Amino acid sequence: GENVEQHPSTLSVQEGDSAVIKCTYSDSASNYFPWYKQELGKRPQLIIDIRSNVGEKKDQRIAVTLNKTAKHFSLHITETQPEDSAVYFCAAAKTSYDKVIFGPGTSLSVIP
Amino acid sequence: EPEVTQTPSHQVTQMGQEVILRCVPISNHLYFYWYRQILGQKVEFLVSFYNNEISEKSEIFDDQFSVERPDGSNFTLKIRSTKLEDSAMYFCASRPLQGARYNEQFFGPGTRLTVL
Repeated sequence: GENVEQHPSTLSVQEGDSAVIKCTYSDSASNYFPWYKQELGKRPQLIIDIRSNVGEKKDQRIAVTLNKTAKHFSLHITETQPEDSAVYFCAAAKTSYDKVIFGPGTSLSVIP
Repeated sequence: EPEVTQTPSHQVTQMGQEVILRCVPISNHLYFYWYRQILGQKVEFLVSFYNNEISEKSEIFDDQFSVERPDGSNFTLKIRSTKLEDSAMYFCASRPLQGARYNEQFFGPGTRLTVL
């Protein structure tokens, strides 16, 4: 089955700097890659997603890139703010209605 | 904005007891899911449910687990005989069939299950 790896496990950045989280997946049949943000004690919330027919997608300060050949995808957060501090999970699914396989998470701390 | 709701928020039970975790998905959603998250670990898929039947289940979802949609609004997860290792946060999620956000699985706030 699908396996999603994620690096780094923890990331600490100064406010205003950029943060990059990288993920790999194993199943070439995966075509949908959502990213979730989970604040402490709260539910995972979708922040951005990308499909395999697109190489890059941007939404304000957040961008995702996908390299389907290499089975890599990344999350880029620019101009980080303290409220960006949370655990970020990358994930993969065959389609957007299939089960979502989560990566192990990255704990991002943005230092004011 | 409509949200998935779950009850109870926290359930404490003795090992070997049965528990039922309840979820109310968003009203026009047709795909339902259960996930669990052991403290400090990643979110793990348990089961998906569509058209009143299980679509897919993981290895975690063994004979001790069952799901049901007893009426038009509730979606339940039952664990027949709880084990210590069932202690986790259980998230319900639902997804619409169509619409602008049909990609998105909307997660509930979770039920924290503690098995003693």
